[in-house]
Amino acid sequence: GQNIDQPTEMTATEGAIVQINCTYQTSGFNGLFWYQQHAGEAPTFLSYNVLDGLEEKGRFSSFLSRSKGYSYLLLKELQMKDSASYLCASTGANNLFFGTGTRLTVIP
Amino acid sequence: DAGITQSPRYKITETGRQVTLMCHQTWSHSYMFWYRQDLGHGLRLIYYSAAADITDKGEVPDGYVVSRSKTENFPLTLESATRSQTSVYFCASSGHPRETQYFGPGTRLLVL
Repeated sequence: GQNIDQPTEMTATEGAIVQINCTYQTSGFNGLFWYQQHAGEAPTFLSYNVLDGLEEKGRFSSFLSRSKGYSYLLLKELQMKDSASYLCASTGANNLFFGTGTRLTVIP
Repeated sequence: DAGITQSPRYKITETGRQVTLMCHQTWSHSYMFWYRQDLGHGLRLIYYSAAADITDKGEVPDGYVVSRSKTENFPLTLESATRSQTSVYFCASSGHPRETQYFGPGTRLLVL
């Protein structure tokens, strides 16, 4: 079966660090994507983890533990423009399975 | 310009009418996908296609029909629209199902 869990909403302060967690159970799992989606817009790619460990890309980092079925997205030096939904998606045999998304609000 | 486009961007229709949403990509990606996005459900896969003339059902295919006669186009048809099909529809494409998917801008559909 397929199951992906992530928090519905989070709030953080500008300049701070926030960690968005995602747990998954996916048949035929290969890797874990993170997408960013601003209100009223399409999702855009942030990161993809296949191997265990941390992948860093500028202010954003993503971590994967395959044995625990767990990933997180770490956002540093938060900016107001980071207010968006963050979608966790696991890869099955032929497609992606998305979580419901975490709506992050960055406050001054 | 290269990319993935959807039309129309907004559509209002009535229950029982047939509606077709268009998707066009210029990357020559093999795979194309249709999702619907609703509050509380996230993105759910309706149909996907691995190549021209090859399509398969996703998580929520009932009430929808797809075709793919050309690699670059992947239209989605609601044969007889229902209010429960009011949603935002996203088309996406990728070179492989385990590669990054690139999303179109979405079509906001309201069924009255």
